[in-house]
Amino acid sequence: EPEVTQTPSHQVTQMGQEVILRCVPISNHLYFYWYRQILGQKVEFLVSFYNNEISEKSEIFDDQFSVERPDGSNFTLKIRSTKLEDSAMYFCAGGVLAVDGYFGPGTRLTVT
Amino acid sequence: AQKITQTQPGMFVQEKEAVTLDCTYDTSDQSYGLFWYKQPSSGEMIFLIYQGSYDEQNATEGRYSLNFQKARKSANLVISASQLGDSAMYFCAMRPPYNNAGNMLTFGGGTRLMVKP
Repeated sequence: EPEVTQTPSHQVTQMGQEVILRCVPISNHLYFYWYRQILGQKVEFLVSFYNNEISEKSEIFDDQFSVERPDGSNFTLKIRSTKLEDSAMYFCAGGVLAVDGYFGPGTRLTVT
Repeated sequence: AQKITQTQPGMFVQEKEAVTLDCTYDTSDQSYGLFWYKQPSSGEMIFLIYQGSYDEQNATEGRYSLNFQKARKSANLVISASQLGDSAMYFCAMRPPYNNAGNMLTFGGGTRLMVKP
């Protein structure tokens, strides 16, 4: 059964550095999402992406964040200048219909 | 705005017994979807079960069933015959009416389930 994959599984970066988190959704997915989960807290929506553009974003998703689907398969989340508070688990998710909600395994980002 | 509430921060259950994890929601939408996810200590989010607001029957997936009471705005997860591997965090989530603008999930705070041998 196809799965959403994410790389890397763990990323350690210094404050102020740029990071790119990568996701490979399931091939027939049309909608793509990024969520984050700060340790011990609830999962929070960041951004949704449909038809090669952002369809919705939360207040967390400020100018430091961007998303791309450059080659039709990879779906990336870029954080331009990381802050300590960006340390979290970042989940990519995808779906075809409203009943879908398949998450990748997550990337644990640690900003030092 | 949608809101999901999980009132049980932690629960214990004896192996082989059934357990109910509570979830209540608040929405003004007539059409919505409800999800349950399992998050083991390894961190991944595992989709368990889905219930559409217009589905007349409660959803079931193996040992998981969703006790959907629309009038009470509750969507409790029932796990039958608990296993040690069921020990994890469980999140209830809601999706708004299906549209092309977003479909993002709103999550509850989670319930940590611990299964005792």
